[in-house]
Formats: sequence, C-alpha cells, structure tokens
Amino acid sequence: GESVGLHLPTLSVQEGDNSIINCAYSNSASDYFIWYKQESGKGPQFIIDIRSNMDKRQGQRVTVLLNKTVKHLSLQIAATQPGDSAVYFCAENWTGGGNKLTFGTGTQLKVEL
Amino acid sequence: NAGVMQNPRHLVRRRGQEARLRCSPMKGHSHVYWYRQLPEEGLKFMVYLQKENIIDESGMPKERFSAEFPKEGPSILRIQQVVRGDSAAYFCASSPSGRAIYEQYFGPGTRLTVT
Repeated sequence: GESVGLHLPTLSVQEGDNSIINCAYSNSASDYFIWYKQESGKGPQFIIDIRSNMDKRQGQRVTVLLNKTVKHLSLQIAATQPGDSAVYFCAENWTGGGNKLTFGTGTQLKVEL
Repeated sequence: NAGVMQNPRHLVRRRGQEARLRCSPMKGHSHVYWYRQLPEEGLKFMVYLQKENIIDESGMPKERFSAEFPKEGPSILRIQQVVRGDSAAYFCASSPSGRAIYEQYFGPGTRLTVT
C-alpha cells in the first residue's frame, strides 16, 4: 500500500505486505531527515535517518528514499507486521536553523490481519 | 538506563490556572527540547535549552509560556493562565550534545486538558 501524506493520512495494509509512506517536506535547505514512529499514548521513536547527500538508506525492514528535486521523502516498510501499526512522521532539520526538528503532519498506518 | 521522563502524564486545568510540566532528561544528557502536538498534527518545536540557558525559543508563544532548565532538577515548561487552545500533548526530548539531531530521545509526553 502507498500513502500520499497530507492527502491520505491513513494507510491500511495487509499483514505481510510492503508499506510505503510518503512525505513532502517544505524547506529546500533541509539537509537531514528522520522518520519517527509514534504509538498511541507514547512519544515519537526514531526509526531511520538520512542526510541530503544520500538518496537511499536501508535499515532493518525499513528503507528511506530521498528525492531532493521534488522535496519528497518516503519510508518503505517490508513485510509489515501488526506491531508496525502507528502514526509515522517525517521530520526535517536544516543545519543553519539550529537543532529544532520540523515535523510533518503524519500518516496513520493500520495493519490488517 | 531510564529514558526521558515526563510528569505528570495527564494534567487537567481550568481556564486561567497555571500548568507546570516537568521533564527529566536521560542520564548524561544536558540538552532539552520541548515540542507541542495538537490532536492529529505533527509535533511543533517550542524551545531548546541547555543547563541554565535558553538556546532557541523561536517556537514559544510570546505570552504566558516560559521554560527553564536549572542546574539541578528537571526542565520545567510553565503555562500561565491557560486557555482551551493550550490543550495538547507536550513532549520533551533530550540529547547528550547539541550536535547530533538524531540523538533526540523523546519522553512519553504530558497531555494537558484545559476545561
């Protein structure tokens, strides 16, 4: 399944399928990006990050893709599991802007059994 | 090693009262960040503090809100004369230094409800 971020804030996928969560970031000067997972009632949890000098980075079951030309970021989750159900946020940082993170609106991922 | 701790987890205040939110950073962390999250929105940066110093408060409302991180004790986010629009989840993050953005570890948040 695939989301388009702000236009489709909820993504439902079957267990075992791959998920793609999209994010359009705002600042062309941003040079660092993070994906966070937030479960209900909890704080954001770091998943994976990528710097602007890269266009792809892989972790365990997750891959982040960065397209600076169109200011687009995506998170791919392989073999989605029920424990992946959460809200996913992209966050961006601009080195010249200090240490604050700018978060996107988020996408709710629901994994159906 | 305990993570970032926030208390209270839930806080109910009537309009006009004061709200005090506490954040104890992870052991060894001397940098604290406060973010606010409105329902079904992303987190919005409020303030970044080091021990006894406010580094960046560009996200703090000009009135009624203040933050401190004393030499000893937790960081405090204080909201005076709360209004219904202050109802939100307030998250604190801490990091060991100011250089590594990815090392911002978030606490569980304080959910403020203003009645």
